[in-house]
Amino acid sequence: SQQGEEDPQALSIQEGENATMNCSYKTSINNLQWYRQNSGRGLVHLILIRSNEREKHSGRLRVTLDTSKKSSSLLITASRAADTASYFCATETSGSRLTFGEGTQLTVNP
Amino acid sequence: ETGVTQTPRHLVMGMTNKKSLKCEQHLGHNAMYWYKQSAKKPLELMFVYNFKEQTENNSVPSRFSPECPNSSHLFLHLHTLQPEDSALYLCASSLGRATDTQYFGPGTRLTVL
Repeated sequence: SQQGEEDPQALSIQEGENATMNCSYKTSINNLQWYRQNSGRGLVHLILIRSNEREKHSGRLRVTLDTSKKSSSLLITASRAADTASYFCATETSGSRLTFGEGTQLTVNP
Repeated sequence: ETGVTQTPRHLVMGMTNKKSLKCEQHLGHNAMYWYKQSAKKPLELMFVYNFKEQTENNSVPSRFSPECPNSSHLFLHLHTLQPEDSALYLCASSLGRATDTQYFGPGTRLTVL
């Protein structure tokens, strides 16, 4: 079973709308990270939120973390066509590795 | 640019070929990783190196052989691969611990015929 599972698997929205992606995990974590991947490219780190933080902002990104529910959400406000990509959450397992979920494929239509 | 480069970007090989993937990081990091990304599957961690020492082998078949001559370079030697090994192979590096932020290369798209 996955440590990090993203929901939904795919999301299609119009430019200017907000996009929300969720991540659930199973074991306690020290931090949770969100990454973005453009088609056929490497992953790019977006934001890291520590277990003692509840919310974090970076530009148009807003990440929340609810450790009691073992879940996180990534909100992209005022989306642009260039935001089209896959988004992954990554959680720490056993203190020795990051485990990535299957990702949410976001499509922003112009 | 993330500071991690991978060559080649695309590779097509037959099942009897031997080839190598190369990764180089210019970030002064001490940890490097190989991941396999197949369609509709989560990213799979293959190997972890820390200060040139292999610290994790995630039950990878022996037809994949990693090499880390120094903290800046990582290779993945391939031989006798199977068609199901076709995937995007991603290299990443981080400052130290595997749970630090990881910086990824652009990947090598491998096709095994």
